[in-house]
Amino acid sequence: IAGITQAPTSQILAAGRRMTLRCTQDMRHNAMYWYRQDLGLGLRLIHYSNTAGTTGKGEVPDGYSVSRANTDDFPLTLASAVPSQTSVYFCASSDSRTSGSYNEQFFGPGTRLTVL
Amino acid sequence: AQKITQTQPGMFVQEKEAVTLDCTYDTSDPSYGLFWYKQPSSGEMIFLIYQGSYDQQNATEGRYSLNFQKARKSANLVISASQLGDSAMYFCAMRVVGDTGNQFYFGTGTSLTVIP
Repeated sequence: IAGITQAPTSQILAAGRRMTLRCTQDMRHNAMYWYRQDLGLGLRLIHYSNTAGTTGKGEVPDGYSVSRANTDDFPLTLASAVPSQTSVYFCASSDSRTSGSYNEQFFGPGTRLTVL
Repeated sequence: AQKITQTQPGMFVQEKEAVTLDCTYDTSDPSYGLFWYKQPSSGEMIFLIYQGSYDQQNATEGRYSLNFQKARKSANLVISASQLGDSAMYFCAMRVVGDTGNQFYFGTGTSLTVIP
């Protein structure tokens, strides 16, 4: 069982280019999330999806889009990358359907993106 | 408004000593969960410990314990008998159940260095 996988591991991208970060989970979690991590700012939520077919905006959604065609996949797209999008991107998932108190988030290994 | 605050950007502790990492939170929801994650230099996010808002006792997991003071809205992480491998970034997080499902909020993190 892999948990959550992200691809690519790292990428250097020219400004203005389009880029899709891939995220796949095999835990059948209903909820998935995208965060960016920047030094001194912690993790900030970009977009989330509580179930396949639905998405929502997080704290810093501008310049990013997501889709959730099925339970397992939650790609993040930068339509026209800018240098301020240089960051480490984490995908996460959780199962919010259970009544248990945990519902912790499981994180992927991250994608390090550099926009020049 | 939901908010997590970690006021210690960096902490140092002598090996084998105990250390407390501070976390305060703000929410008006009566039901919430509090999490601590560890992020070593390799970058992955590792779940450490969980405390539910209705839990009567402080959570413990091995050398980790959560000092939950509900009235003060604090959820400090205590690491006993520090080890060199504890050197990492530590994030406090809060989960609340919003109208659209689980929402997670992260603090800015505390960098812990264990000194031999």
